[in-house]
Amino acid sequence: AQSVTQPDIHITVSEGASLELRCNYSYGATPYLFWYVQSPGQGLQLLLKYFSGDTLVQGIKGFEAEFKRSQSSFNLRKPSVHWSDAAEYFCAVVPRGYNKLIFGAGTRLAVHP
Amino acid sequence: EPEVTQTPSHQVTQMGQEVILRCVPISNHLYFYWYRQILGQKVEFLVSFYNNEISEKSEIFDDQFSVERPDGSNFTLKIRSTKLEDSAMYFCASSEETVPNTEAFFGQGTRLTVV
Repeated sequence: AQSVTQPDIHITVSEGASLELRCNYSYGATPYLFWYVQSPGQGLQLLLKYFSGDTLVQGIKGFEAEFKRSQSSFNLRKPSVHWSDAAEYFCAVVPRGYNKLIFGAGTRLAVHP
Repeated sequence: EPEVTQTPSHQVTQMGQEVILRCVPISNHLYFYWYRQILGQKVEFLVSFYNNEISEKSEIFDDQFSVERPDGSNFTLKIRSTKLEDSAMYFCASSEETVPNTEAFFGQGTRLTVV
């Protein structure tokens, strides 16, 4: 079945530590890939996206993501987390030929001082 | 910076009542969407709208739901007879082109509580 999976529901890291949030997808053709962030009381904000080309994508707020076709993954990373990064992070895909985002369940990130 | 605005931010309604959720998309955008997020669950696509008609809808978007662009600026979602399970955060989004080609911008959401 077609799906977007974020295996980690909650992650807690210390400020300054590195971060990796996992995302796997299951689609016949590689979909377009996105990461969104939802801060408390805010809407969804696009962090970065991957369509093709270089498999390491840079986004806003110091985030990056790496597309690995062999693993059907698009993991989000940040080398040093700040307290303001505490939020919920959603991996999303747009299947080829469609005009809608399909979201994963989200990963809630907590940052310890 | 242009943004998508949604009103109200929170609406409480009695089961069986009609509700209208309002959205003002970014002015030069042509594609409009509604998504919802039931508490603790994933964000789900409801409907997309282009050129004054629905271009796609999900299984969730049954006859109780309708969308409208009543004037040049507003985009509304109507739920005719609300059920308890309609309680959710509803997000409006808009984009200049189709989503793979351009970014979809989301509003802050309307939290609908059906009692």
